[in-house]
Amino acid sequence: GAGVSQSPSNKVTEKGKDVELRCDPISGHTALYWYRQSLGQGLEFLIYFQGNSAPDKSGLPSDRFSAERTGGSVSTLTIQRTQQEDSAVYLCASSPTFSGGTYEQYFGPGTRLTVT
Amino acid sequence: GNSVTQMEGPVTLSEEAFLTINCTYTATGYPSLFWYVQYPGEGLQLLLKATKADDKGSNKGFEATYRKETTSFHLEKGSVQVSDSAVYFCALSDLTNAGKSTFGDGTTLTVKP
Repeated sequence: GAGVSQSPSNKVTEKGKDVELRCDPISGHTALYWYRQSLGQGLEFLIYFQGNSAPDKSGLPSDRFSAERTGGSVSTLTIQRTQQEDSAVYLCASSPTFSGGTYEQYFGPGTRLTVT
Repeated sequence: GNSVTQMEGPVTLSEEAFLTINCTYTATGYPSLFWYVQYPGEGLQLLLKATKADDKGSNKGFEATYRKETTSFHLEKGSVQVSDSAVYFCALSDLTNAGKSTFGDGTTLTVKP
């Protein structure tokens, strides 16, 4: 079946502009994560959606970042007034409903954001 | 809160050398443990997992054993290949924390011929 898809794959924007990044999770997966990966760095957790529960936004670095998940499926990560330090690869992952004790994640290919 | 600590890299080995990448964790509940791998230019993918104490996850010649007594999940491979060059991430997910996952910082492995 189809995996996690993200769009666009690459985005170049000017400093101060807003950007929207899209994630289509695997159908039926209840959990969805956004991460940020800067060049040569590890994964920085941004936000976590699990079913109908309130999202865990504890990783969002500033109020310029927001995310929503419509209908428990597609998610959009919005960055307002982008800064050069926002340049990174933004990864989305989804995970199925708890089954057998694991919540393994399936990652999308990422969106490479470059702020000039 | 939960945390994962990985051996710092980068790690450079010669082909056919033995590999160990250490991983220890702190969790409030009884987590499941994972190793993910990111090959150059590719996305992250699950390498192996273990869901309970003394379970051994294995895949592609890699192994890791869930050690509850030492809160560890060290990744090992007996003979590495150049194609194993990648970034390796240790992670846990915790049912008591709504299944939220926590990742280590990643360890970069380079295998030279």
